[in-house]
Amino acid sequence: GAVVSQHPSRVICKSGTSVKIECRSLDFQATTMFWYRQFPKQSLMLMATSNEGSKATYEQGVEKDKFLINHASLTLSTLTVTSAHPEDSSFYICSATRGGLMNTEAFFGQGTRLTVV
Amino acid sequence: DAKTTQPTSMDCAEGRAANLPCNHSTISGNEYVYWYRQIHSQGPQYIIHGLKNNETNEMASLIITEDRKSSTLILPHATLRDTAVYYCIVRGSEYGNKLVFGAGTILRVKS
Repeated sequence: GAVVSQHPSRVICKSGTSVKIECRSLDFQATTMFWYRQFPKQSLMLMATSNEGSKATYEQGVEKDKFLINHASLTLSTLTVTSAHPEDSSFYICSATRGGLMNTEAFFGQGTRLTVV
Repeated sequence: DAKTTQPTSMDCAEGRAANLPCNHSTISGNEYVYWYRQIHSQGPQYIIHGLKNNETNEMASLIITEDRKSSTLILPHATLRDTAVYYCIVRGSEYGNKLVFGAGTILRVKS
C-alpha cells in the first residue's frame, strides 16, 4: 500500500504552547487528507477533512481556531494544536487518499503521541 | 455516528481462519464497506474494501451478503501478529466520503 508519514511520532510540550504535526504522502498525491484524534481505549474520532488548496472542513465540536489545518500541497498537510492544554494530550493520526471518492482507499500515518504538561 | 455493528471481541486459534462479522443494515446502494485494523499504538492499516461483490487480496477476503446488510472479513490463516482491533466502516457520499470509525472488534489470536 501507499506510504503516509507523520512527524513527529512523539512530542511533549508545555501548556500554552503550540505544536505542529506534519503528515506527508510519500509516494502518491493526496488530494484529500483526514485528521483524527484517539484517546486511550477509544476509537478514532474524525476531527477534520482537508482538500488541497482549500479550507478544512471541521467536524462538529472541533474548534477550528484551536486545531489549525493547512493542506498547501498534494503531499503535505499540517495540524497545529494552538495554546495546548493537558486535555489536548492524545494520539493524533492523519490519513491520506488520492481522491475523495468513496472507492479509493485511504492510508494512515503512524500517529503522533502528544503529551501536554 | 458509525453505521456498523461489530462484536466487541473475538478469539481465534493461531493457524485457523478468523471470521469477523459486521452488520450494516442501513447501508445505501452506493456505499462501500471498508475494513481496517489497528495494532496497539499504531495508525490503522488498510485491509480491503468492496461494494457488493466478494473481494480477496493478499491479506484477507471480504464476503458481502447479497442484500448487503452484513459482511464478513476472513483472515485465512491467523497468526499472532494479526491480534488487533478490526474496524468495519461504511463509506459513502452521505458522510462526504469520510471514514468514520466505530468501536471495532478486538481480535485476539492465541497460540
